[in-house]
Amino acid sequence: EPEVTQTPSHQVTQMGQEVILRCVPISNHLYFYWYRQILGQKVEFLVSFYNNEISEKSEIFDDQFSVERPDGSNFTLKIRSTKLEDSAMYFCASSVDRANTEAFFGQGTRLTVV
Amino acid sequence: QKEVEQDPGPLSVPEGAIVSLNCTYSNSAFQYFMWYRQYSRKGPELLMYTYSSGNKEDGRFTAQVDKSSKYISLFIRDSQPSDSATYLCAMRAGNNRKLIWGLGTSLAVNP
Repeated sequence: EPEVTQTPSHQVTQMGQEVILRCVPISNHLYFYWYRQILGQKVEFLVSFYNNEISEKSEIFDDQFSVERPDGSNFTLKIRSTKLEDSAMYFCASSVDRANTEAFFGQGTRLTVV
Repeated sequence: QKEVEQDPGPLSVPEGAIVSLNCTYSNSAFQYFMWYRQYSRKGPELLMYTYSSGNKEDGRFTAQVDKSSKYISLFIRDSQPSDSATYLCAMRAGNNRKLIWGLGTSLAVNP
């Protein structure tokens, strides 16, 4: 069964460093998303991406964050100058259609900023 | 008022019980309603989605949406220990793809 894969599964970084979280969406999907889940809190939408551009973003997704689809398979989330409060699970998701009624999620990357 | 509210539990039931999980919401623009299951340290897995009001059944799972009350439910019949997980509701308006999530309800089904 096709699945969304994310790497690494766990990333530890020092405050102020840049991190890149990687995702390989399901191959025939066209819409891509990043969500995050701080421990004990709700899943939060960060950004959606279609046709090589951001289609929606939340207020969380400020200039510290950027997304890219550098090739035909990868979808990345870059976090510049990480802060302690960026520590969370980051989930990538993809969907085949615009309605996002069936978004499939990856296993997540646990980011720990120390 | 929070956009989506969900009792975090934990909810503990014996194997074979009928489980009822619920969310309330405040935004009347929400039209798409989803239920996800999340096992520990895993990503959310879509169980069911419903458009607008009504019921939808899939095996042991039934999703209900009551838009007049802004209330959605997920019922699990003949619950199994493998159903032990956190169940998250998520929803969105018709004009965007941003999902708004509940906190999740932790369910334990005891053999």
